[in-house]
Amino acid sequence: GNSVTQMEGPVTLSEEAFLTINCTYTATGYPSLFWYVQYPGEGLQLLLKATKADDKGSNKGFEATYRKETTSFHLEKGSVQVSDSAVYFCALTPGSSNTGKLIFGQGTTLQVKP
Amino acid sequence: NAGVTQTPKFRILKIGQSMTLQCAQDMNHNYMYWYRQDPGMGLKLIYYSVGAGITDKGEVPNGYNVSRSTTEDFPLRLELAAPSQTSVYFCASCGTTGHNSPLHFGNGTRLTVT
Repeated sequence: GNSVTQMEGPVTLSEEAFLTINCTYTATGYPSLFWYVQYPGEGLQLLLKATKADDKGSNKGFEATYRKETTSFHLEKGSVQVSDSAVYFCALTPGSSNTGKLIFGQGTTLQVKP
Repeated sequence: NAGVTQTPKFRILKIGQSMTLQCAQDMNHNYMYWYRQDPGMGLKLIYYSVGAGITDKGEVPNGYNVSRSTTEDFPLRLELAAPSQTSVYFCASCGTTGHNSPLHFGNGTRLTVT
C-alpha cells in the first residue's frame, strides 16, 4: 500500500540553524510528493511539491528533492527563523490517482527559538 | 477571496448527539475532501467528492455521512457522536484532475465529544 513516514518531533532549533526533516514513502507507481505546513490555529498550506524523480521543489527558502532510489523527500532549509515554527507534513498522491486524495505522514513539529 | 470556509470553529457535543460540519468553497473546485487530524497521527481521509452528486468513502468513514448537492458545499454529518470522534476536522478542495494540484484547506473545526 501507500504510506508516508516522517521523523518524529518535536524538532527544536535556534534561529539561523540548518533544518532537515526526513520523509520516506512507500508507493506503487510514480507518486507526486508534497510538503504542507500548518501554522498555529490554521489549516494546511502547500509549501512545495515535486511530481517526478529528481525534481526539486522549493519555496520560501525550503527545498526538497524527489529521490526515487531512496524513496525519500527530505525537507531542508539553510537558516530557520522564528516564524518557521509550525507543523510540517509530508504527503503523496499515488501515481494512479486521479482524485487528488493525499496520504499524509504524521507531521513534525518545528519550534525555532530566538 | 474566501477560499474554503468551515463552520463552526469549535463545538462540544454530548455522546449520542448529532451535528453537521459545514464546508463551502468559492473557487468552483470539483474535488472536495474531509480529513480528521488526531495528535501524532497526521490527517486521515473521511470522505471525498469528485463533483456534485458524487461522494465516496475514504480511509475512516464509519460514523460519518456526507452529501454534495452543489459544487460549493460539502457538509459532513455526525449522527451519533462518540468520544472517538473528538478531533480537528479539515475540509479541503482541489481544482483540476488532482494528481499534482495543491489542496486548499479550511481553518478547521475542533470538535470535542464528552
